[in-house]
Amino acid sequence: DTGVSQDPRHKITKRGQNVTFRCDPISEHNRLYWYRQTLGQGPEFLTYFQNEAQLEKSRLLSDRFSAERPKGSFSTLEIQRTEQGDSAMYLCASSPGQSNSPLHFGNGTRLTVT
Amino acid sequence: AQKITQTQPGMFVQEKEAVTLDCTYDTSDPSYGLFWYKQPSSGEMIFLIYQGSYDQQNATEGRYSLNFQKARKSANLVISASQLGDSAMYFCAMRDAGGSARQLTFGSGTQLTVLP
Repeated sequence: DTGVSQDPRHKITKRGQNVTFRCDPISEHNRLYWYRQTLGQGPEFLTYFQNEAQLEKSRLLSDRFSAERPKGSFSTLEIQRTEQGDSAMYLCASSPGQSNSPLHFGNGTRLTVT
Repeated sequence: AQKITQTQPGMFVQEKEAVTLDCTYDTSDPSYGLFWYKQPSSGEMIFLIYQGSYDQQNATEGRYSLNFQKARKSANLVISASQLGDSAMYFCAMRDAGGSARQLTFGSGTQLTVLP
């Protein structure tokens, strides 16, 4: 169990630029989640994959956000035309899918939009 | 309505003492699960303990125990014999059938500081 891996750990970008984050889940986990966390708050759900299928998206996920999990393994989260309000920690988590299974989180990608 | 409420933004405890972190939840689903996570300043979310709505016993994991009061819809985390390394943000979370994604919904957290 190598854990959930996220890359990069930190990203600083100028407003209007596009950014892409990567998440490698625990290999035997078929469920993958993206969350966003702002300072002093709990993580907020963005989207969820079961294998390669994106099954749910939060209303927080605007049209500028897109996520993929093309082969049911790693996932990417892209933010187009970044805004200062996008500055946050983006957390990826994976789970084997049983109802009592916790989500296993990566260390997150901290995005700063200047 | 908020699904998970943590009313203590910050808590202090003396090293070696026990501390209780409060969590109340709201759901109409009879089947749900409650989770507690620890987030140190380094940022990673560490799973601590799980309680299912049908579990008869309160969950325990080492120094962590969950005081589950179903009728009051509360799931308080008890940390016994606090250590300096317990200083962190603690989040309560719930999974119920209301979300088809089976995602966790988190509270706003409690910042715990353990004093030497």
